[in-house]
Amino acid sequence: AQKITQTQPGMFVQEKEAVTLDCTYDTSDQSYGLFWYKQPSSGEMIFLIYQGSYDEQNATEGRYSLNFQKARKSANLVISASQLGDSAMYFCAMREGRGSSNTGKLIFGQGTTLQVKP
Amino acid sequence: DVKVTQSSRYLVKRTGEKVFLECVQDMDHENMFWYRQDPGLGLRLIYFSYDVKMKEKGDIPEGYSVSREKKERFSLILESASTNQTSMYLCASRNRVNEQYFGPGTRLTVT
Repeated sequence: AQKITQTQPGMFVQEKEAVTLDCTYDTSDQSYGLFWYKQPSSGEMIFLIYQGSYDEQNATEGRYSLNFQKARKSANLVISASQLGDSAMYFCAMREGRGSSNTGKLIFGQGTTLQVKP
Repeated sequence: DVKVTQSSRYLVKRTGEKVFLECVQDMDHENMFWYRQDPGLGLRLIYFSYDVKMKEKGDIPEGYSVSREKKERFSLILESASTNQTSMYLCASRNRVNEQYFGPGTRLTVT
């Protein structure tokens, strides 16, 4: 069965430093997608970054990058130059299904709470 | 700007009541989803819909039903609310590429 694991319930980082949030996944599909979402205390889920299983390069979006190691089945999120506004819960997710059977269903990890210290 | 709205941010209901959670998207997306979020468990899929009047069970459909009569609206129904359905409920819709857009969430308390 497909599964996402985030082993860090909580993390602290100093403002302006970089931080890595861990995510490992388990799937037997060859084609899949990996996502990271941010959830501030207000509750809305904000899409951050996407990596396809066939993408050869790691995805980057501004200060966010995804360290994709396919053989290890890991998809860690790296946030560079942390800001106070980065304090939130972060979820790793995997898209289930492929090709015409791709319904877009996401499987989520348990989440990691990040606190940025001034 | 893409938008997914949910009818209530906070809701308090009594055990046994029938509860309707409404979700509306203005992006003409075909796929819509209902998740519940609980501490330590992340988000879990309750139901999803890939077209009007079409629906499929997710991972935890027990105690819930859904309705999609129009493309832009996807409703989650708790037929007889129970205390173990106290949770945060998140609706999402999906574009043709990959990204799911989420609503602001409804925090439901069943007493």
